[in-house]
Amino acid sequence: GAVVSQHPSWVICKSGTSVKIECRSLDFQATTMFWYRQFPKQSLMLMATSNEGSKATYEQGVEKDKFLINHASLTLSTLTVTSAHPEDSSFYICSASRRSNTGELFFGEGSRLTVL
Amino acid sequence: AQRVTQPEKLLSVFKGAPVELKCNYSYSGSPELFWYVQYSRQRLQLLLRHISRESIKGFTADLNKGETSFHLKKPFAQEEDSAMYYCALSDDFNKFYFGSGTKLNVKP
Repeated sequence: GAVVSQHPSWVICKSGTSVKIECRSLDFQATTMFWYRQFPKQSLMLMATSNEGSKATYEQGVEKDKFLINHASLTLSTLTVTSAHPEDSSFYICSASRRSNTGELFFGEGSRLTVL
Repeated sequence: AQRVTQPEKLLSVFKGAPVELKCNYSYSGSPELFWYVQYSRQRLQLLLRHISRESIKGFTADLNKGETSFHLKKPFAQEEDSAMYYCALSDDFNKFYFGSGTKLNVKP
């Protein structure tokens, strides 16, 4: 159990367009979902924390108007990269914690965004 | 602020040798510490957490609050241990922060 799925796994888009990445918890209710960004050979950088039904909390330096996060249900969170630019190209990873909050995070497989 | 530091990007050892992956943290509250592992072509997964005080796949990690460290150790490394290892800290708000990761390469 505790599977988190991201879609799409890879997306290529033109500069100026918006891209939506979905993160779903397939077999559990995720009270909290986290969005990370990972640059090549670097750590996972926490972008924002989203709780179901409330606004996402963004980390310092992350533009909330640029990276729109919606956590509409206990099984789905979306990250929309608006007006994407080449510097937004990265690997985006979501993770979720269960309602029981054992302290463990369950990770999606990640989504690679390439902006041309 | 850098909350989790992993000083080694790459650690290479021979099979059967002991291994220690270093992790130091900085946090004024009461953090929970974790080790996550990412095997080749797989997603990140939990290896162990400090509150469990358990050994997983032969790995152990002790939280040293005086030294603010949470080093991961295994007495005899195996080839299948080769992976990326990330130390993570969960703060008082249940946010998780990760170190930059250490690639462990266990040579035959």
